Amino acid sequence: DTAVSQTPKYLVTQMGNDKSIKCEQNLGHDTMYWYKQDSKKFLKIMFSYNNKELIINETVPNRFSPKSPDKAHLNLHINSLELGDSAVYFCASSQQGYGNTIYFGEGSWLTVV
Amino acid sequence: SQQGEEDPQALSIQEGENATMNCSYKTSINNLQWYRQNSGRGLVHLILIRSNEREKHSGRLRVTLDTSKKSSSLLITASRAADTASYFCATDVETSGSRLTFGEGTQLTVNP
Repeated sequence: DTAVSQTPKYLVTQMGNDKSIKCEQNLGHDTMYWYKQDSKKFLKIMFSYNNKELIINETVPNRFSPKSPDKAHLNLHINSLELGDSAVYFCASSQQGYGNTIYFGEGSWLTVV
Repeated sequence: SQQGEEDPQALSIQEGENATMNCSYKTSINNLQWYRQNSGRGLVHLILIRSNEREKHSGRLRVTLDTSKKSSSLLITASRAADTASYFCATDVETSGSRLTFGEGTQLTVNP
């Protein structure tokens, strides 16, 4: 069974559209994350939720809105997509607290044309 | 600027050789972790070393940490073609809740 699963894996869309990426983890973790990996493979955290509560919100445009209906799910909604949003978005999860292994999903490749 | 920076950016070796990748960081950390990313895949955790540890082993992996120099190294011994991947170091500085800051990675190519 996939521990952290995210859909879709590939997404090609036009500028100005609104899209969502869904994420689910079956590890029983309390904390979930969204990371963005750019074309140079640089990974940066976007958001972190702990038990459905937002705990990390990096400097991300407010066009990006995470939603956590329960602690096993963290979805990412993006409004008014721009060319610069093209990247790979990774969902991840971990146990609460620091020093814990973070488990990543396989990534969602977003291309904005 | 980034917290973690890997060196070299790319490394190409022959199967059976050892591969060493280095990571430098700027601020004090709680722990440092290494991840592997195969092409087109997600990141897989390899090893975690805490700030009070100096060396850690896991199979063919050996990680060192020098907090005085703010640096870490990952050694893969007896490399295999399947080790071909990008390797990232990530530092954790938070006291509550993991918040990993990643470097740009080292692309390792192991030639059969």
